[in-house]
Amino acid sequence: SAVISQKPSRDICQRGTSLTIQCQVDSQVTMMFWYRQQPGQSLTLIATANQGSEATYESGFVIDKFPISRPNLTFSTLTVSNMSPEDSSIYLCSVDIEGVGTEAFFGQGTRLTVV
Amino acid sequence: DAKTTQPNSMESNEEEPVHLPCNHSTISGTDYIHWYRQLPSQGPEYVIHGLTSNVNNRMASLAIAEDRKSSTLILHRATLRDAAVYYCILRVANYGGSQGNLIFGKGTKLSVKP
Repeated sequence: SAVISQKPSRDICQRGTSLTIQCQVDSQVTMMFWYRQQPGQSLTLIATANQGSEATYESGFVIDKFPISRPNLTFSTLTVSNMSPEDSSIYLCSVDIEGVGTEAFFGQGTRLTVV
Repeated sequence: DAKTTQPNSMESNEEEPVHLPCNHSTISGTDYIHWYRQLPSQGPEYVIHGLTSNVNNRMASLAIAEDRKSSTLILHRATLRDAAVYYCILRVANYGGSQGNLIFGKGTKLSVKP
């Protein structure tokens, strides 16, 4: 299994500012993903965080708005840039663990409110 | 787009079995059937997955139709803690050992009555 630590767990931010969310895993992982969950909705995949190279973004998400870094196998950050109230959501980190197979693990999420 | 169809909601009584259905008529031969659940205010957690044969673990059982176009997650004795949104997701196994992304649909919201 894996323990995923996301920081911060929640934040209230002013519009126009940026917030960086951290995801730290206690195991080496093969894949890391970032999801967004808008209020009352299901999870939407933002991007795959690639170690040492640019993230792979899903349709509707762009690097300028959601820059992602992954400097090593166990750590990644997601920045929500130039925030507006529409960015108020829960942001979740997810990982696949090397050698475990097809099971995915999720962090507890970061609840972001933009005012 | 999600390739599975689930009922929006279901109700169960505590300590009774629950059968959560999922249709995936366009499933391909390399798609694994995954189930995750999301308890209130938590991230999703893995429940079970399978390819062709029925699967059992400590949390649940997964019954897969012979043609693989549908599956059923079985909770043998529902508890109040099982109240959650349950997601049925197809995940492709790629050549070379990598996996496709987990694409979430709307899931089934399970309510458990005492």
